[in-house]
Formats: sequence, C-alpha cells, structure tokens
Amino acid sequence: DAKTTQPTSMDCAEGRAANLPCNHSTISGNEYVYWYRQIHSQGPQYIIHGLKNNETNEMASLIITEDRKSSTLILPHATLRDTAVYYCIVRVVSYNTDKLIFGTGTRLQVFP
Amino acid sequence: GAGVSQSPSNKVTEKGKDVELRCDPISGHTALYWYRQRLGQGLEFLIYFQGNSAPDKSGLPSDRFSAERTGESVSTLTIQRTQQEDSAVYLCASSPRVLAGGLYNEQFFGPGTRLTVL
Repeated sequence: DAKTTQPTSMDCAEGRAANLPCNHSTISGNEYVYWYRQIHSQGPQYIIHGLKNNETNEMASLIITEDRKSSTLILPHATLRDTAVYYCIVRVVSYNTDKLIFGTGTRLQVFP
Repeated sequence: GAGVSQSPSNKVTEKGKDVELRCDPISGHTALYWYRQRLGQGLEFLIYFQGNSAPDKSGLPSDRFSAERTGESVSTLTIQRTQQEDSAVYLCASSPRVLAGGLYNEQFFGPGTRLTVL
C-alpha cells in the first residue's frame, strides 16, 4: 500500500496561512489523497480530498503536484482552534476493499 | 444528527481476558470500518464491511482479533486472550454507499474506545 510522509510538527501564527506538505511518491493512479485532522482525544475529522486537480472547500485547499507524488494542505487563515494533528492519507479502493492508509501526521501548533 | 457512537469509551482489562468493543454506525451507512491507533501514531486499518459482501479482514493483526456486523447495523470487535501490545484506541468509522461515477463519501469516525491491557 502507498505510504505518506509528513513533517512531525509545524508552527503557524494565528491569521496566517498554514501550509502542510505531504509526500506520497508510491501512490497509484486511482488512489485518492485525503486529509483528516485529529484534535486531542477525538476521532479524526474529514477536511478535504482530491485525485489530480486542486480542490478547495470551506475549510481548506488541497494542491496536488502534476506527478501526484506530493501534495500540500493549505489552511488560509489559521486560528487557535486549528491546532491539531493533520494526517495525509491515501485511500485504497477496489472491488473488495476500502481503506485509509494513514501517515504519522503533522502536529500543527497555531500560536497567538 | 447522531454520529458514530462507540462503547465503552474506556476499557481496562487484564492480560489474557477477552474484550468486546461495540460500534453503532450512522443510520443508513452501509460501509463500516475499524481502525487501531497506538499511542502517538497514525491509525492502522483493521477491517472493512460493505453491506452483505464478504468483509476485508486483511488488516487484522492476528487470529485473536475478529469482528462481526449484522446487516447494516451494529458491529462488534472482539479481541481474545488480550496482550499488552493490544493497548490502543480502537476507532470505528462509517460511510454511505459509494456514489455514482466512482466517487466515494468520506468516512465518519466515532470517538473511539481506549483499551488498556494490564
């Protein structure tokens, strides 16, 4: 299964954009990139996903490189409540499976 | 509306005992997943149920682990003869049916059950 690698931790000033990188060089052509975040002691929360094109929703933007070997999650205006562990994930789907392959995550600390 | 619920929220057991963890998915969600999260690590896939199809059990770490699901409702994850390395948070997720055109809905996670094996 494809693996993802992320920096262990990052800091961001409140109100600034947070850019979280992820490498997924072994991703297959039909596997989606997903991002979830996990706030302490809670279940992971969905943020955004994409296949080839850049995506944007009310929470974030996802930039995927043309070769699909890496991506960046962008939180445009980070707030203190965005402090969490952010997971870059490959979703593997076939006729008999559907599973999220999690990396080790980036701990984002937003400071005032 | 109600999200995915799991019980118990915490479970402490002695090595060698059996434990059962329960997951109630969101009503109408046909897909159900179990994951394990060891301290300080990302989630590991355990098992996937989709409707009445055969489950994907490829992530179960040993034959001491098993899971059942009745139709499209409750699921139980059973760990027999627990070991200290089984200590982790066990998370359940559910998802609606696959959308047309090969698009997939997100997985909605429950709060997890924290299992501690002494």
